[in-house]
Amino acid sequence: KAGVTQTPRYLIKTRGQQVTLSCSPISGHRSVSWYQQTPGQGLQFLFEYFSETQRNKGNFPGRFSGRQFSNSRSEMNVSTLELGDSALYLCASSSRAGHQPQHFGDGTRLSIL
Amino acid sequence: AQKVTQAQTEISVVEKEDVTLDCVYETRDTTYYLFWYKQPPSGELVFLIRRNSFDEQNEISGRYSWNFQKSTSSFNFTITASQVVDSAVYFCALSEAHGNYGQNFVFGPGTRLSVLP
Repeated sequence: KAGVTQTPRYLIKTRGQQVTLSCSPISGHRSVSWYQQTPGQGLQFLFEYFSETQRNKGNFPGRFSGRQFSNSRSEMNVSTLELGDSALYLCASSSRAGHQPQHFGDGTRLSIL
Repeated sequence: AQKVTQAQTEISVVEKEDVTLDCVYETRDTTYYLFWYKQPPSGELVFLIRRNSFDEQNEISGRYSWNFQKSTSSFNFTITASQVVDSAVYFCALSEAHGNYGQNFVFGPGTRLSVLP
């Protein structure tokens, strides 16, 4: 069974640009969550989607948004990039919403110049 | 508000030693879930265990064991006879109930374990 797939693996952007990251969950998983991992702040929850609806949102500014498609694939968008957005962005999927073990992808490493 | 504390930033042990990773959590919910994840140098987070707040039974899986104590809000993880392959960052996480759906994981800062040969 294929794992969680995130694309791209690496991305370099400049301040002010926007970026879209993609996540394909494990087949059959309907819940997708996004996390930001930085050395200073650790792992922080961004948001969770289930059946195309955002179910939960962490404490991030509105520049961070996401969506989920009918096939459960999810995208995360960050607009007006700032230097502090440089991080590893992790996507995780689970079979259903509600405290299930999450299966993580390898992440997208975003660097802002 | 929910919070997870892992007081040990880094631990180094020699192979075959036992090591315990501490996790202390804070939550106002009576229903919640606790998790441990491993992040090896390759970067991918690997799920190890989930515990709900109503199940205080300790669990053993091979060389891994977990001690959940609600009285002290702790969910500690012990590796017996550590091996070099156990070297990784270990994260403890808490998920509170939010109705029927939705989960908001809070991760601890992680403990970097180095097992030396």
